[in-house]
Amino acid sequence: GEDVEQSLFLSVREGDSSVINCTYTDSSSTYLYWYKQEPGAGLQLLTYIFSNMDMKQDQRLTVLLNKKDKHLSLRIADTQTGDSAIYFCAVPRRTGRRALTFGSGTRLQVQP
Amino acid sequence: KAGVTQTPRYLIKTRGQQVTLSCSPISGHRSVSWYQQTPGQGLQFLFEYFSETQRNKGNFPGRFSGRQFSNSRSEMNVSTLELGDSALYLCASSLESNEKLFFGSGTQLSVL
Repeated sequence: GEDVEQSLFLSVREGDSSVINCTYTDSSSTYLYWYKQEPGAGLQLLTYIFSNMDMKQDQRLTVLLNKKDKHLSLRIADTQTGDSAIYFCAVPRRTGRRALTFGSGTRLQVQP
Repeated sequence: KAGVTQTPRYLIKTRGQQVTLSCSPISGHRSVSWYQQTPGQGLQFLFEYFSETQRNKGNFPGRFSGRQFSNSRSEMNVSTLELGDSALYLCASSLESNEKLFFGSGTQLSVL
């Protein structure tokens, strides 16, 4: 079955760039997602990339996809304290594109 | 446009009881998916409904069930509650033409 791996924790200083990495074992050819979860809240769709793209930029967010290595990354430029949250990588299963396999989440801590 | 609405926000039940959670999707979204989030297992796919039919199912016991109504609203039911069912239950909706999932804030279920 599918497996999605993320590092558990990342600490950066305010104003620096943050890079959160994700590797996956399998995916249907479709969108791959990054979600953000703040304490006590649900999941916020942060950004996504279609599987035929290598890169997508959306304001301070850059998503890179290496399909050969099954590696997905999220870069946040000029990280702010409000970016402190848990970030999840999510990959659709082959059994259904709305059946996502999530990574364990990376807790991003931004220090002033 | 209103987001995905889940009720209730919090629930406390005792072992052996059953519980019903409700989800109203974004207007126009006909696909509704359910996920369970626990500290130990992370985010796991429960099932997906479209046009009142279960379209996909995760690896959960038969105590977990759901349904969808003609207005796309969905409910999930857990019978014979166990302590391990304590979790945040998240509902997500999507358009049929666009598989991106938008999540609600979740229902926090505590089983005592």
